[in-house]
Amino acid sequence: EIVLTQSPATLSLSPGERATLSCRASQSVTSYLAWYQQKPGQAPRLLVYDASNRATGIPARFSGSGSGTDFSLTISSLEPEDFAVYYCQQRSTWPLTFGQGTRLDI
Amino acid sequence: QVQLVQSGTEVKKPGSSVKVSCKASGDTFKKHAINWVRQAPGQGLQWMGGIIPFFGTPYYAQTFQGRVTITADESTNTSYMDLTNLRSDDTAVYYCARSGQPDRRNSWFDPWGQGTLVTVSS
Repeated sequence: EIVLTQSPATLSLSPGERATLSCRASQSVTSYLAWYQQKPGQAPRLLVYDASNRATGIPARFSGSGSGTDFSLTISSLEPEDFAVYYCQQRSTWPLTFGQGTRLDI
Repeated sequence: QVQLVQSGTEVKKPGSSVKVSCKASGDTFKKHAINWVRQAPGQGLQWMGGIIPFFGTPYYAQTFQGRVTITADESTNTSYMDLTNLRSDDTAVYYCARSGQPDRRNSWFDPWGQGTLVTVSS
């Protein structure tokens, strides 16, 4: 099973700042990595798929990069609605797995 | 725009079973996999398995093999997840989520259902 390790566990920033979240895979997932945002009481929402492709309707301030084992999600300028938990997910190998999440706090 | 609507909250006794449904709108139901993912209280996301309705053969994460059954009914655009021999640590929100690509078991998930809380307690 591929283990995804996200860092940091919690990131405390202010609106307008830049956020960089990391996801590291225990073995290569090539570019088969997605990012999700989850707010309290809501289902996850797809932000980025296959490392760098923004999902439909996702603002341009969200961008993904990386390949192999190291990936990042960058939010260029934080808006109040961006404070949430973020998960990465790999689709390279079964079982499909998720990282443990990064909480982005104000 | 595809939407997934799940059945309501369940409270179950240990050792019993639960069946959660997920109804999809739109005409692409048969070609996109429906996956099931759960989230225990305050915890992360755990993929359980899925099914491509057109092919009809489900696939499961080994952790749940033998206890979970995933089915799909093309006539009603509905997928079902049946979990047996429930334990207290099965208490979680259960989500269905559609695969982002048609005909692919390995994919990202978009969109997601609203989630169904299953509580297992004596």
